[in-house]
This record gives sequence, structure tokens and C-alpha cells, in this order.
Amino acid sequence: DGGITQSPKYLFRKEGQNVTLSCEQNLNHDAMYWYRQDPGQGLRLIYYSQIVNDFQKGDIAEGYSVSREKKESFPLTVTSAQKNPTAFYLCASSTQQGENNEQFFGPGTRLTVL
Amino acid sequence: DAKTTQPPSMDCAEGRAANLPCNHSTISGNEYVYWYRQIHSQGPQYIIHGLKNNETNEMASLIITEDRKSSTLILPHATLRDTAVYYCIVRVALAGSQGNLIFGKGTKLSVKP
Repeated sequence: DGGITQSPKYLFRKEGQNVTLSCEQNLNHDAMYWYRQDPGQGLRLIYYSQIVNDFQKGDIAEGYSVSREKKESFPLTVTSAQKNPTAFYLCASSTQQGENNEQFFGPGTRLTVL
Repeated sequence: DAKTTQPPSMDCAEGRAANLPCNHSTISGNEYVYWYRQIHSQGPQYIIHGLKNNETNEMASLIITEDRKSSTLILPHATLRDTAVYYCIVRVALAGSQGNLIFGKGTKLSVKP
């Protein structure tokens, strides 16, 4: 089945540790995105990538890093510099942006920093 | 910031039509109206989008006013599984940051038996 996967679904880390969230898609999409969602809030864009080996900061990139070495994969690292890392993290992908830029979302990873 | 305004919550009886309003009074001529929904603790799901004309697909209908300053998403026969947060988003059909989706807080639709 084609789709976008994120793992793990739940992740616990101690404060001060870096953690990497996985995002994989087999939809042959060029563009990929990372969002963060806090309780009762909408989604906020962290980073996005329109093509392999290229990515751009979103609205809240501080304390996060990404890489896009392969078309299918867009891992997100939450570094110790991120002051409030506990949140629900969502990855999405889409074809090259145009009118029909429907974004497909993964199931999300809920990160809790203790 | 989101360029849309939606009511924070709405209720709908099961089997009835759910009409979700959205104001986007500052929409530009080249911006589309998109609707997504998010069921609790899942990723958002695309529903429908439109520019000027009304649109319909297997999930919903989208009615856009003639001045394009507001729109309504219609779920013709709401079921309990339609309980979710519904996001109305305007975006240009361009690559780059201008074309990114900006999610507001949406409308929490509760479908009741």
C-alpha cells in the first residue's frame, strides 16, 4: 500500500537528549514537511523540503534539524536546544506544489520529554 | 498567522447535513480555499479545495461565495465518524513558503446520535 509512515507512535526521552523522528513515504512525492501540534492548537510548520538535498526552515525551526538525503525519507531531529519539545509531530508529503497540492499526512509521533 | 476565521465548535445530529462556515475576507485572487480534517490523535486528511466555483467530491461539497470572502463546507449526511476538527486554509498554488499550508485552530465538529 502507498502511504506515509512515522515511527514510533509514542516516544519518551529525557531532557537534554537529542531524538530523531522517522518519516518515510512511498508515494514518489517530491515535497515533504514536518509540523508540530500542541494541545488544542493548529499545526505549525517546522521544516519543509521540495526536493532531495534541499530543505527550508518553516515558522518554528529553532531547536530542530532535518536532512533529505533520499526522496523517500525526511527525518527530524529534536535537539536539546528546543525548549519545549513535548508535542505531537506530524510529517506530510505532496507532489510538487501547485493547485492540487494535497498533502498526505502520517499518523504522527507523540514525543514526551521527561 | 492563519488568514481564515472559523467558529471554534459546532454540533450536528447524525444523518443531518453539517455546514461548516469559514471567513477569508482578505483572500487574494490567486488563493485557493482548502479544507482538511483531523480526527483525534491522527494526521489531518484532505477533504476538498476550490478557487471560485463550487466543488463536490465523494466526501463533501464546497460552496464559495461570489466575492470569495467566505465559504461553507457541507457534509451532506454526517455520521459519528465525521466527528473531527475541520481546518479551512487559503493558499496560493505556488512552490515555496508562499504555497505552504497554514493551519489555524479549526472548528471542532461533534456529530451526536
